[in-house]
Amino acid sequence: NAGVTQTPKFRVLKTGQSMTLLCAQDMNHEYMYWYRQDPGMGLRLIHYSVGEGTTAKGEVPDGYNVSRLKKQNFLLGLESAAPSQTSVYFCASSYVQGEWGNPPLHFGNGTRLTVT
Amino acid sequence: KNQVEQSPQSLIILEGKNCTLQCNYTVSPFSNLRWYKQDTGRGPVSLTIMTFSENTKSNGRYTATLDADTKQSSLHITASQLSDSASYICVVSSRAGTASKLTFGTGTRLQVTL
Repeated sequence: NAGVTQTPKFRVLKTGQSMTLLCAQDMNHEYMYWYRQDPGMGLRLIHYSVGEGTTAKGEVPDGYNVSRLKKQNFLLGLESAAPSQTSVYFCASSYVQGEWGNPPLHFGNGTRLTVT
Repeated sequence: KNQVEQSPQSLIILEGKNCTLQCNYTVSPFSNLRWYKQDTGRGPVSLTIMTFSENTKSNGRYTATLDADTKQSSLHITASQLSDSASYICVVSSRAGTASKLTFGTGTRLQVTL
């Protein structure tokens, strides 16, 4: 039982390059989320999904796209990376929607992305 | 604007000592508050949740308190261990009708030394 797995763990991109961050969970959770964590700031929600085939915008969605083709996977894409997207990205999942009553979020171990 | 402020930003204590971390929030309407522990290089892990009606809750050496009147929560760690070295994040849920939102604090970084 791996929980939430993120790949890759580290990545360096040049401005304008694209990449996809992968998130997989084996807990059969309906809800999945992508957050970014920056120094001096709390975790901020980028996009989330309430089930297979659904996605929704969070607090800071600009410059990112997501897809949830399978229940266990949630992908975060950067089409044209910018230095402002340098951050640590966390994927999380929950058995009920995180926007309903604050259930425990199960986080992956993050992807550290640097855009030069 | 909903805000969650944690203090201190960082803290260094000797192994075996106790410490208290603070979380003040201006979130309305308040629903509940959850504490997470985040080890370096890892994702946050839930420690406990405090609902409106709860004042104190313990989870091993961790004791959380909530004062909904003053909008403050604390996390007390007893007999600290080296493994307690981590960031502790306070997350407050606000709810209005059928919609709710999570507001994350910036965390307190705790270092436990010999």
